[in-house]
Amino acid sequence: AQSVTQPDIHITVSEGASLELRCNYSYGATPYLFWYVQSPGQGLQLLLKYFSGDTLVQGIKGFEAEFKRSQSSFNLRKPSVHWSDAAEYFCAVGARGNDMRFGAGTRLTVKP
Amino acid sequence: NAGVTQTPKFRILKIGQSMTLQCTQDMNHNYMYWYRQDPGMGLKLIYYSVGAGITDKGEVPNGYNVSRSTTEDFPLRLELAAPSQTSVYFCASSYAGGGNQPQHFGDGTRLSIL
Repeated sequence: AQSVTQPDIHITVSEGASLELRCNYSYGATPYLFWYVQSPGQGLQLLLKYFSGDTLVQGIKGFEAEFKRSQSSFNLRKPSVHWSDAAEYFCAVGARGNDMRFGAGTRLTVKP
Repeated sequence: NAGVTQTPKFRILKIGQSMTLQCTQDMNHNYMYWYRQDPGMGLKLIYYSVGAGITDKGEVPNGYNVSRSTTEDFPLRLELAAPSQTSVYFCASSYAGGGNQPQHFGDGTRLSIL
């Protein structure tokens, strides 16, 4: 079965600074990759997804992610973080069938 | 747009009690899912359904039951609540399965068992 690792449990960045959240996956074939964001007390919202084609994908709220097959990674980036980006971020990998596996999440704190 | 609606938002149960977590979606999605979220563990799939009348176990089904009598509703039942079931429960839905469909989530039910 596929698996996802998010190495960073908690990251703190200053408002206006750039952001990169790491995600590594394990899967034998080409994976379907997703990033979700969870604000406090709410469910998960889809930020972006990768299925095939261009390895740099754009999402909502100014986020982007890059698929690197050689590194089995799908890192999430944002050039300039806003205070409203403080949330928990989940990477997920979908496989054939109906199985989607989520990482443990990275909590983002934004300093003023 | 309501999307996926979960009730209740919060609940405290005593050990051994039973309850049903409700989930309904208005997007005419065929697939529905129940997850539990524990700190530092991400989301674990409890049960899922590919359509009315069809359900299947996920990664952590023990202690739970589900039913899917309509496309819209997918309730999760705890028969004998145990402290290990203290968690935040999320219901989700997707138009299709196959692993390449983004899922739409409800706001969750925070359940404490004392």
